[in-house]
Amino acid sequence: SAVISQKPSRDICQRGTSLTIQCQVDSQVTMMFWYRQQPGQSLTLIATANQGSEATYESGFVIDKFPISRPNLTFSTLTVSNMSPEDSSIYLCSAERGETYEQYFGPGTRLTVT
Amino acid sequence: KNEVEQSPQNLTAQEGEFITINCSYSVGISALHWLQQHPGGGIVSLFMLSSGKKKHGRLIATINIQEKHSSLHITASHPRDSAVYICAVYTGANSKLTFGKGITLSVRP
Repeated sequence: SAVISQKPSRDICQRGTSLTIQCQVDSQVTMMFWYRQQPGQSLTLIATANQGSEATYESGFVIDKFPISRPNLTFSTLTVSNMSPEDSSIYLCSAERGETYEQYFGPGTRLTVT
Repeated sequence: KNEVEQSPQNLTAQEGEFITINCSYSVGISALHWLQQHPGGGIVSLFMLSSGKKKHGRLIATINIQEKHSSLHITASHPRDSAVYICAVYTGANSKLTFGKGITLSVRP
């Protein structure tokens, strides 16, 4: 298994500012993912964070709004840029080691934008 | 129509009851996850299934690939089982998961 931590666990931010969320895995993983869960909704994949190359974004999500870094095999960051109240969500990081279909999830970051 | 449907949407049970949560999907899958989400937001993976049945403590998960259906059973339910239970499937390449909307389970003491 893999243990994933996220920072911060929660934050309240002003409209127009940016927040960077960190995701740390306790062991090397091949795939890392960022999800958004809006209030009352299911999880939606934002992007796949690739080590050594640019992230792969899902339809409806763009790099300018959600820049992602993946500097090594255990760490990734997601930035939520120029925030608006519609960005208030839980943001979750997950990781998969090899093509095993086993995904491990982080504790989530609860973001409120005022 | 969502690719992953869960039922019932909300479920309330009395402590000690046997609980069944269902998941149906409409596409071919490689594997299926049952996930548990507590009010704080963090998600724990309970089971990953590609066939048959798995058991862990009081939890049992089954999958019928032909019928495109999976169930999560909780025996001797306890208030600490109160959470949102989410079914998610791998539908293709690139390790992408498709999620159901989740079922909110409340177990009363």
